[in-house]
Amino acid sequence: GENVEQHPSTLSVQEGDSAVIKCTYSDSASNYFPWYKQELGKRPQLIIDIRSNVGEKKDQRIAVTLNKTAKHFSLHITETQPEDSAVYFCAATTGNTPLVFGKGTRLSVIA
Amino acid sequence: KAGVTQTPRYLIKTRGQQVTLSCSPISGHRSVSWYQQTPGQGLQFLFEYFSETQRNKGNFPGRFSGRQFSNSRSEMNVSTLELGDSALYLCASSLASSDTGELFFGEGSRLTVL
Repeated sequence: GENVEQHPSTLSVQEGDSAVIKCTYSDSASNYFPWYKQELGKRPQLIIDIRSNVGEKKDQRIAVTLNKTAKHFSLHITETQPEDSAVYFCAATTGNTPLVFGKGTRLSVIA
Repeated sequence: KAGVTQTPRYLIKTRGQQVTLSCSPISGHRSVSWYQQTPGQGLQFLFEYFSETQRNKGNFPGRFSGRQFSNSRSEMNVSTLELGDSALYLCASSLASSDTGELFFGEGSRLTVL
């Protein structure tokens, strides 16, 4: 089945800097890649997703890129703010199987 | 529109006991998925139900079971609790199936096994 690896497990950046979180997946048939953000004590919430027919997607300060050949996708956050501090999870699915999540990245934005 | 509601939010059990957790999905959502969240392990898939049928099951022992009712509400049960079952159990609902669109998570049921 699908296996998703996520790096790094923790990331600290200065406010205003960029943050990049990378994920690799194992099943070349995976075609949907969402990212969820979980603030401390809160529920995970979808922040952005990308499908396999697209190489990049942006939404204000966040963007996701997908490299199907290398089977990896990344989350990019620019101009980080303290409210970006949270745990971020990547996930992948073939469309016929449940979402498989990475183990998460704890992002700390230092003011 | 009300979000996904999970009950109870917190519970403490002892080894060997059993527990039942409940999840009410967003109105109109027919798919309910359950995940176990533990520190360092991320979100591990337990099972998914759609229209009262189990569509997928994760790699958990048979002590973990679930069901879905005709109103889409779902329950999961863990029997013969072990210390390692201590975790946050998250329920998520979606319109169709978990693999094609956004999952809306509940706040979770935090289970502590002593």
